[in-house]
Amino acid sequence: AQSVTQLDSQVPVFEEAPVELRCNYSSSVSVYLFWYVQYPNQGLQLLLKYLSGSTLVKGINGFEAEFNKSQTSFHLRKPSVHISDTAEYFCAVLGGYSTLTFGKGTMLLVSP
Amino acid sequence: DARVTQTPRHKVTEMGQEVTMRCQPILGHNTVFWYRQTMMQGLELLAYFRNRAPLDDSGMPKDRFSAEMPDATLATLKIQPSEPRDSAVYFCASGLNSLEPNYGYTFGSGTRLTVV
Repeated sequence: AQSVTQLDSQVPVFEEAPVELRCNYSSSVSVYLFWYVQYPNQGLQLLLKYLSGSTLVKGINGFEAEFNKSQTSFHLRKPSVHISDTAEYFCAVLGGYSTLTFGKGTMLLVSP
Repeated sequence: DARVTQTPRHKVTEMGQEVTMRCQPILGHNTVFWYRQTMMQGLELLAYFRNRAPLDDSGMPKDRFSAEMPDATLATLKIQPSEPRDSAVYFCASGLNSLEPNYGYTFGSGTRLTVV
């Protein structure tokens, strides 16, 4: 079975500061990992995905994530955040029948 | 820009009433999911279709929930009778499942259901 743990429910940061949102996974099958972002009152939007190849994955809006197999982690990073990055971020792992199992989410709060 | 369309966006109903939520997947997508989002449980998978056939609905309370795909352009999720604990945001997502790993399903904007 697959599972995802997002260690922080909320991460407050100041604008232009770097940020890391943590995600750990467990999977008994090939590992495909995703980060989604949810803006208020909207659906989930795909930020980036790791399927294979380079462990450093670049996504939209300046975000990137690094797949670390030995630590079973897939942390999301951005070197300099904007107010507009305030949103909830979900890490997910692909499981059986190609279904996505999501973590509980991390609320990123960017203040001026 | 292709999108998954969900209707209604908001629904307030009284306990015991039937609720139907609709989803129009992206044209050509053969995989449809229904997820429920609550503060307590986060995102939970309710049901999953591929090529209109239900593959997994183990996440759905069978006594009151039902999910169908009457055709390739419409997926429905029904609750009968509805209860206050069903209050949540229900998301539909669609994708194209193939051997080429191009996963990254597209989500609709959700239906926010309030049962009073």
